[in-house]
Amino acid sequence: NAGVTQTPKFRVLKTGQSMTLLCAQDMNHEYMYWYRQDPGMGLRLIHYSVGEGTTAKGEVPDGYNVSRLKKQNFLLGLESAAPSQTSVYFCASSYSGTGGTEAFFGQGTRLTVV
Amino acid sequence: SQQGEEDPQALSIQEGENATMNCSYKTSINNLQWYRQNSGRGLVHLILIRSNEREKHSGRLRVTLDTSKKSSSLLITASRAADTASYFCATDAGNNRKLIWGLGTSLAVNP
Repeated sequence: NAGVTQTPKFRVLKTGQSMTLLCAQDMNHEYMYWYRQDPGMGLRLIHYSVGEGTTAKGEVPDGYNVSRLKKQNFLLGLESAAPSQTSVYFCASSYSGTGGTEAFFGQGTRLTVV
Repeated sequence: SQQGEEDPQALSIQEGENATMNCSYKTSINNLQWYRQNSGRGLVHLILIRSNEREKHSGRLRVTLDTSKKSSSLLITASRAADTASYFCATDAGNNRKLIWGLGTSLAVNP
């Protein structure tokens, strides 16, 4: 059981380049999330999805786009990378049932924009 | 905006001692969760406590919740060097399943 898998694990981009981060989960979870984690800032929600074909903005959505074409995948895109987007990005998923919202996390993608 | 605020921001103890971390939040919640993050890794769920629960145990972990004070505490008993990590609280306050995160407590357990 792989859980939540993020690719790539590391990436260096030049300012203005674009890239897509892939998140895949094999737990049949409805909800998926993209966070960024910066020193002293905790986890900040970028975008999230409550089901296949749906997306919504989180706290810090500017400069990012997402897509959820398949239930198991949640893609995060940077159209024109900026140094301020240097961060560690985490994907998470959770079950939509009433038992709670325990989130399962990927191992993170460390992105540096130079 | 961050809902949870962990206290202290950093904690250093000796192996075998107990570690207590606190989390305060601002709004009514459905549940509160604690997560651990080892350096350079993803977060791992530790325990979830619902708003109608006051205390919960899991192995060496004990979590309490005081909804009147909007606060929770995580106690790790008989700490080990392997407990060295950052600990985050997260609250579930609405129907859209978004968690709101605190800034974390960095725990160092010295051998």
